[in-house]
Amino acid sequence: QLQLQESGPGLVKPSETLSLTCTVSGGSIISSSYYCGWIRQPPGKGLEWIGSMYYGGSTYYNPSLKSRLTMSADTSKNQFSLKLSSVTAADTAVYYCARHYNLWYFDLWGRGTLVTVSS
Amino acid sequence: EIVLTQSPGTLSFSRGERATLSCRASQTVNNNYFAWYQQKPGQTPRLLIYAASTRATGIPDRFGGSGSGTDFTLTISRLEPEDFAVYYCQQYGSSPWTFGQGTKVEIK
Repeated sequence: QLQLQESGPGLVKPSETLSLTCTVSGGSIISSSYYCGWIRQPPGKGLEWIGSMYYGGSTYYNPSLKSRLTMSADTSKNQFSLKLSSVTAADTAVYYCARHYNLWYFDLWGRGTLVTVSS
Repeated sequence: EIVLTQSPGTLSFSRGERATLSCRASQTVNNNYFAWYQQKPGQTPRLLIYAASTRATGIPDRFGGSGSGTDFTLTISRLEPEDFAVYYCQQYGSSPWTFGQGTKVEIK
């Protein structure tokens, strides 16, 4: 059974780059034709789709974040990565990676990781 | 971008009651590509419904989805204690994929 785990620094300084990794276990992202989605949730608020990526390299970004966003995949490690540059306090949130099934809905989720932007 | 509006923000029910949650889209959702999620405090969102009315794997049949076009509904036929949570709608008919702001179902 596929499982997802986010990892990365819990604290990032304003204007710096937030970097997170999503490690997929229990199956190959290649054999699963896997799309990885990133979703974030500010404390006490709702869900926001950040972007999604196919293991083969195609990326789909939320226009509101596109200018600051880079996503990549490392098939040898079964990992996806997210980089969000020039962060501010508004980027403080729990960041989830999830399987974005067929680029439709999110059917498997990681446990999420809290990233706080503060000096 | 399709904006999803869930109202009201909070609904109060007693155990065993029927709950009806609404989500309205600012534009027609293509192919009824619509999903519902449940999130309990401190937990990860869980997919309940996709394609507007199809229950995800392992979801009890007291959860039902309906609707088309711009108006969608999640119904919980008989509320169990574990159903008190926040529910989010999501459209995947067109990018960017968007979520509603959530409806909290609380115990009366």
